[in-house]
Amino acid sequence: NIVLTQSPATLSVTPGESVSLSCRASQSISTSIHWYQQKSNESPRLLIKYASQSISGIPSRFSGSGSGTDFTLSINRVESEDFSIYYCQQSYSSLYTFGSGTKLEIK
Amino acid sequence: EVQLVESGGGLVQPGRSMKLSCAASGFTFNNYDMAWVCQAPKKGLEWVATISYDGSSTYYRDSVKGRFTISRDNAKSTLYLQMDSLRSEDTATYYCARHRGYFDYWGQGVMVTVSS
Repeated sequence: NIVLTQSPATLSVTPGESVSLSCRASQSISTSIHWYQQKSNESPRLLIKYASQSISGIPSRFSGSGSGTDFTLSINRVESEDFSIYYCQQSYSSLYTFGSGTKLEIK
Repeated sequence: EVQLVESGGGLVQPGRSMKLSCAASGFTFNNYDMAWVCQAPKKGLEWVATISYDGSSTYYRDSVKGRFTISRDNAKSTLYLQMDSLRSEDTATYYCARHRGYFDYWGQGVMVTVSS
């Protein structure tokens, strides 16, 4: 199985800061990585598909980059509603896997 | 508006069975692959199973292979997950999701608790 390692596990930031969340794959997966946001007691929401493709209705402050094994989700100027958990997921293999998540919390 | 509404969860004893349903609306159900994703309490997301748009292909994570069966009724726009030989480690919230490689729409989730 393809293992996705997210770092850091927790990121403490002040609203208005810009942040980068990392997702590293155990083997090259081209750009077959997708990002989700999950707020407390809610279902996950798709933010970015195929590493960098935007999703309708998602604020433009969210962007993605990377290919191969290293991927980044960037949030430009974090807002209060962004404090939640972020997961990456790969679709390179049909044994789909998620990363363990990065919790974005208020400093 | 796309809607996915799960039902059928609850408390079940180890070794017993449970069947989850997911009623879909707002899109042409038989054009899309569908999936189940679970989340144990306070844990991360885990893909469980996927079924192709026409039901001809199914895929499972190793830990549920042989115990869980994903199926669909395109006439009823409904997705199912038959869970047999349930274990305590199957305790989780189960989400139904539309699957396009990525999961673009999710249901609200249904809780399954496996305990004696």
